[in-house]
Amino acid sequence: KQEVTQIPAALSVPEGENLVLNCSFTDSAIYNLQWFRQDPGKGLTSLLLIQSSQREQTSGRLNASLDKSSGRSTLYIAASQPGDSATYLCAVRPQATDSWGKLQFGAGTQVVVTP
Amino acid sequence: DGGITQSPKYLFRKEGQNVTLSCEQNLNHDAMYWYRQDPGQGLRLIYYSQIVNDFQKGDIAEGYSVSREKKESFPLTVTSAQKNPTAFYLCASSIATRTHEQYFGPGTRLTVT
Repeated sequence: KQEVTQIPAALSVPEGENLVLNCSFTDSAIYNLQWFRQDPGKGLTSLLLIQSSQREQTSGRLNASLDKSSGRSTLYIAASQPGDSATYLCAVRPQATDSWGKLQFGAGTQVVVTP
Repeated sequence: DGGITQSPKYLFRKEGQNVTLSCEQNLNHDAMYWYRQDPGQGLRLIYYSQIVNDFQKGDIAEGYSVSREKKESFPLTVTSAQKNPTAFYLCASSIATRTHEQYFGPGTRLTVT
């Protein structure tokens, strides 16, 4: 069974520092990996989706890398701002035939960016 | 604006009562999903539907029921058989393409006392 882990569970950085968020998964047979942002009490906002054939994906200050063979993805946020404070979740879409459209989520990393 | 709406935002119920959570999308997405989120945990899949009038159980379907009579709507009923119903419930949808990129609604916080 696919397991997704995000370490650390919480992270605090001063404004301007680059953020590095980690996601690991146990089964490399995935279609894609998606990074989400969640503000307190709110739904999830999709940040980036990386297909299994891709090594990285970029959007503005965000860059996500994927190393499928080692079961790891990293989300980089450049020049962090207080508005980046949120919980970041990663999710993988397994390739198993009974996993149509399903996502397997990590528990998230709670980020605080201090002014 | 296209998006996913969930209502209500907060819901309070007494133990033993069934309650229905609403999810509507105007994105013309084929697939819809229901997840449950508990503090400090990732999202867990309750039910999903690939097409109208069809749905499948997810990882934690016991004590829940759904219907998919319209493409836009996927209501979730939390029955009295669900042992720990207090949680944050999230609805999502996706186009049935290769990526299945999922988009989420704002969530409903259900408290059962």
